[in-house]
Amino acid sequence: GESVGLHLPTLSVQEGDNSIINCAYSNSASDYFIWYKQESGKGPQFIIDIRSNMDKRQGQRVTVLLNKTVKHLSLQIAATQPGDSAVYFCAEKDNNDMRFGAGTRLTVKP
Amino acid sequence: DVKVTQSSRYLVKRTGEKVFLECVQDMDHENMFWYRQDPGLGLRLIYFSYDVKMKEKGDIPEGYSVSREKKERFSLILESASTNQTSMYLCASSLKPTGGRQPQHFGDGTRLSIL
Repeated sequence: GESVGLHLPTLSVQEGDNSIINCAYSNSASDYFIWYKQESGKGPQFIIDIRSNMDKRQGQRVTVLLNKTVKHLSLQIAATQPGDSAVYFCAEKDNNDMRFGAGTRLTVKP
Repeated sequence: DVKVTQSSRYLVKRTGEKVFLECVQDMDHENMFWYRQDPGLGLRLIYFSYDVKMKEKGDIPEGYSVSREKKERFSLILESASTNQTSMYLCASSLKPTGGRQPQHFGDGTRLSIL
């Protein structure tokens, strides 16, 4: 899940397994959500987004699930590869502000 | 692909110096943003701009100012650098949403150290 503390949550998976990264958001007025991937030494890279009128959206090897009832967002990565190792964080947006989570560090073991 | 370019990857400056961080985007985006990123914390918004000559304060504007003289360029200025401004600075841009929402696209960041 997401944390605003000093230590990022970590997830370690075996190459080829599926990964699930979670994010809890707090603003019930948020209607747009984004997942970003940030590799070491690089800026955040857009992965996938979802609007609040949807509960699931799929991209290439990635799926985002949105549960508005419990204010929960997840990113599923199929057949995780070493190149997927990075920090993943979610962002939520309402009419005014976009807020970012601190991220989860995904490590893929060969 | 959207390209957001930050002029420096690494900068080392001294306390009290005036520091300029430059950002250019090539996709004709209306919106531009400056964030700082510190270990274990989410991105924190410093300033943003929705149009040329326009600027708005974000969550942590103190000690910073910005300039947007051209649509493609958004500059962050540290008026008198202090050690607590040592951080990773990220610039982002996005389209003005038309009936929906648009993601922000980020540069690779400037890692600034204030000694």
